[in-house]
Amino acid sequence: DAGVIQSPRHEVTEMGQEVTLRCKPISGHDYLFWYRQTMMRGLELLIYFNNNVPIDDSGMPEDRFSAKMPNASFSTLKIQPSEPRDSAVYFCASSSSLTDTQYFGPGTRLTVL
Amino acid sequence: SQQGEEDPQALSIQEGENATMNCSYKTSINNLQWYRQNSGRGLVHLILIRSNEREKHSGRLRVTLDTSKKSSSLLITASRAADTASYFCATDYGNNRLAFGKGNQVVVIP
Repeated sequence: DAGVIQSPRHEVTEMGQEVTLRCKPISGHDYLFWYRQTMMRGLELLIYFNNNVPIDDSGMPEDRFSAKMPNASFSTLKIQPSEPRDSAVYFCASSSSLTDTQYFGPGTRLTVL
Repeated sequence: SQQGEEDPQALSIQEGENATMNCSYKTSINNLQWYRQNSGRGLVHLILIRSNEREKHSGRLRVTLDTSKKSSSLLITASRAADTASYFCATDYGNNRLAFGKGNQVVVIP
């Protein structure tokens, strides 16, 4: 299995631009998580899905952030408009309800200038 | 929200020595997990210990869990330079959702 796949790996954009991060979870996993990691705040859970349905989005910082999971093999995290304080590494992770382990993607390093 | 907290935050040891990290949490959990993160990479699951377990081993890793004190420890024996990484504890309080601590940075000096 290829593991969790994220794209792009690096994204540099200017303030005000729309940013879309993509994730392909491990096949057969029914949970998908989006995290943000910064030095100051550590690893924060933004939102998670179960069977493509958003379960808890209380970690989404504000309305500029949105996430979708149109099918079991694809999810997006969108920031519109982006701001410099959104600069961070964004991780996607997936897991199965049969186990309790999360598998992380390599992350997308986002820099907003 | 509940979150694991590791102690110490940073550890520097010589190769061959043991490294011990502690984690505390606040409320009841289903299980506690430890993850490793190498610089610039995603987190990798190391070991899981359930709330009804007290100790678990995996290779050079030993994890303990004390639910009365709401704490866990991770021991890495005979450390190697390749063990240099950040180590995170994560508490599972249901629905496959994890709350991560801020991480322990471990540097193993060859």
